[in-house]
Amino acid sequence: GDSVTQMEGPVTLSEEAFLTINCTYTATGYPSLFWYVQYPGEGLQLLLKATKADDKGSNKGFEATYRKETTSFHLEKGSVQVSDSAVYFCALSHTGNQFYFGTGTSLTVIP
Amino acid sequence: DTAVSQTPKYLVTQMGNDKSIKCEQNLGHDTMYWYKQDSKKFLKIMFSYNNKELIINETVPNRFSPKSPDKAHLNLHINSLELGDSAVYFCASSRQAYNEQFFGPGTRLTVL
Repeated sequence: GDSVTQMEGPVTLSEEAFLTINCTYTATGYPSLFWYVQYPGEGLQLLLKATKADDKGSNKGFEATYRKETTSFHLEKGSVQVSDSAVYFCALSHTGNQFYFGTGTSLTVIP
Repeated sequence: DTAVSQTPKYLVTQMGNDKSIKCEQNLGHDTMYWYKQDSKKFLKIMFSYNNKELIINETVPNRFSPKSPDKAHLNLHINSLELGDSAVYFCASSRQAYNEQFFGPGTRLTVL
């Protein structure tokens, strides 16, 4: 069945460091891929998405590229800030099927 | 305007009690969900409704009963609360089952 695997955390980075959070998926066909962010004490918010192969989703300085050849959708940011401290969830969906969330990766950015 | 709202935000109760959490969305979406998030932030889907009809019912105890009076509301009733029910419960909605989901702010349930 469909599934998403993302790197385990927690991840701790210094401010202005480069961030990569790995996400790989298993699915038949061409799912849509998403990254959600959960700030402390809040619900999940959509950060970015990509609906077809080679699409790049971007928002708030974060980027992720839909790579069908490696079944990956890694999240990257060139220079993280303290305000980026949150839990990040990779997810996929298929037309007619349910949503699948990864296990979440906690990021802490220290000044 | 809040897109997906839940009440209450915090709920503290004794073991054995019955409690309800309410959820409303004003996005005009057809599909609504309940998720349970544990202390390690793992998100587990519990139920999904499409146009008031149950479409996903994961393995949860039958003490949990969702109710959808109309497609804008999906409430969660929990009977005979147990310590292990302590968690954050999120409501979410989407246009269709495979579209991006919009989450409520969560209800932190603590069972003493």
